Amino acid sequence: EVQLQESGPGLVKPSQSLSLTCSVTGYSITSNYWGWIRKFPGNKMEWMGFVSYSGSTSYNPSLKSRISITRDTSKNQFFLQLNSVTTEDTATYYCARSYYSSYEDYYVMDAWGQGASVTVSS
Amino acid sequence: DIVMTQSPTSMSISVGDRVTMNCKASQNVGSNVDWYQQKTGQSPKLLIYKASNRYTGVPDRFTGSGSGTDFTFTISNMQAEDLAVYYCLQSNSYWTFGGGTKLEL
Repeated sequence: EVQLQESGPGLVKPSQSLSLTCSVTGYSITSNYWGWIRKFPGNKMEWMGFVSYSGSTSYNPSLKSRISITRDTSKNQFFLQLNSVTTEDTATYYCARSYYSSYEDYYVMDAWGQGASVTVSS
Repeated sequence: DIVMTQSPTSMSISVGDRVTMNCKASQNVGSNVDWYQQKTGQSPKLLIYKASNRYTGVPDRFTGSGSGTDFTFTISNMQAEDLAVYYCLQSNSYWTFGGGTKLEL
């Protein structure tokens, strides 16, 4: 069974960088797609981006200038870096797997971590 | 950017109710819409994918329908354990969530 677990600082100062790690067990990140999603206070959800099985990336255009998603296949981990954060980046950050079904020709985010709460404050 | 407008934002419900919520896409997204359930303190859980397909292990009281720009999610016989926030998600062009529908007693 695939399991994902986010880790990283819970408090980041404005203008600094937010860095989170997603550790995956039970499944190799060299298959399928691995992404980050965040939930703001008040229920709004935002897809941030993903890294693919090959290491290619895709980002939400609204974040493209600030975001980087990388991976370490030897540790079966992938990472989120969000630069120049403001208080508006305060959210719960989730990592998730986008599983591709060749039968359906469709991707689904079928496995999620428990989420990491990050507050941006001085 | 594709905007998913979800309605209503909240509903007061009773056990046994039939519950219906909607998502309207700002442009044609085909059948590329999923529905998620998120209970308090938990991560989102996939219920419906590709507009109308129930995910593995999901009870048949949960159904989805629609295509193009208009999508509907229904709980046919509301249970207390279904209290949660529900989200639609389009994956036709990048990924965009609806604003969520909170079900309350």
